[in-house]
Amino acid sequence: KQEVTQIPAALSVPEGENLVLNCSFTDSAIYNLQWFRQDPGKGLTSLLLIQSSQREQTSGRLNASLDKSSGRSTLYIAASQPGDSATYLCAVPDSSYKLIFGSGTRLLVRP
Amino acid sequence: DAGITQSPRYKITETGRQVTLMCHQTWSHSYMFWYRQDLGHGLRLIYYSAAADITDKGEVPDGYVVSRSKTENFPLTLESATRSQTSVYFCASSGQGSSYNSPLHFGNGTRLTVT
Repeated sequence: KQEVTQIPAALSVPEGENLVLNCSFTDSAIYNLQWFRQDPGKGLTSLLLIQSSQREQTSGRLNASLDKSSGRSTLYIAASQPGDSATYLCAVPDSSYKLIFGSGTRLLVRP
Repeated sequence: DAGITQSPRYKITETGRQVTLMCHQTWSHSYMFWYRQDLGHGLRLIYYSAAADITDKGEVPDGYVVSRSKTENFPLTLESATRSQTSVYFCASSGQGSSYNSPLHFGNGTRLTVT
């Protein structure tokens, strides 16, 4: 059974710092991996989707990498801003068209 | 505006009542999903649908019923609400199944309290 773990559970950094969020999964036979952002009281917003054949995907200040063999993905946020404060979740599909989510990393970027 | 909308945003109901949460998407996505989000459990899949008139159970389907007579709508019904169903419910949709490279789009959720 696929399990997804995110460490740390919470992170507080000063504005401008580069940071890395981690995601690990137990079954490396994944089709893709998605990173989401969730603001308080809101739904999840898809940030990046990395296909299994890709090593990384970039969108603006965000860069996500995928290492299937080690069961790991990282989300790199460059030059963090207070507006980046949110909970970040990763998710991978299981074998039947549904996503398994990690429990998330709650990020606070201090001005 | 295109998107996925859920209603109501907030709902308080009593134990034993029937409650229906609505979900509507304007993308004509084939796949739709219902998740619940709880502290300590994260996001758990309740039901999903691959197309109109096709639904399947997720991880925690007990006590819930879904239907999908039209592609754009995917209502979730709690037949007899229990306090353990107090949660935030999210509807989501995607153009293809999660095994394909199609991002998942979420609504803003319904916060349900069962007293």
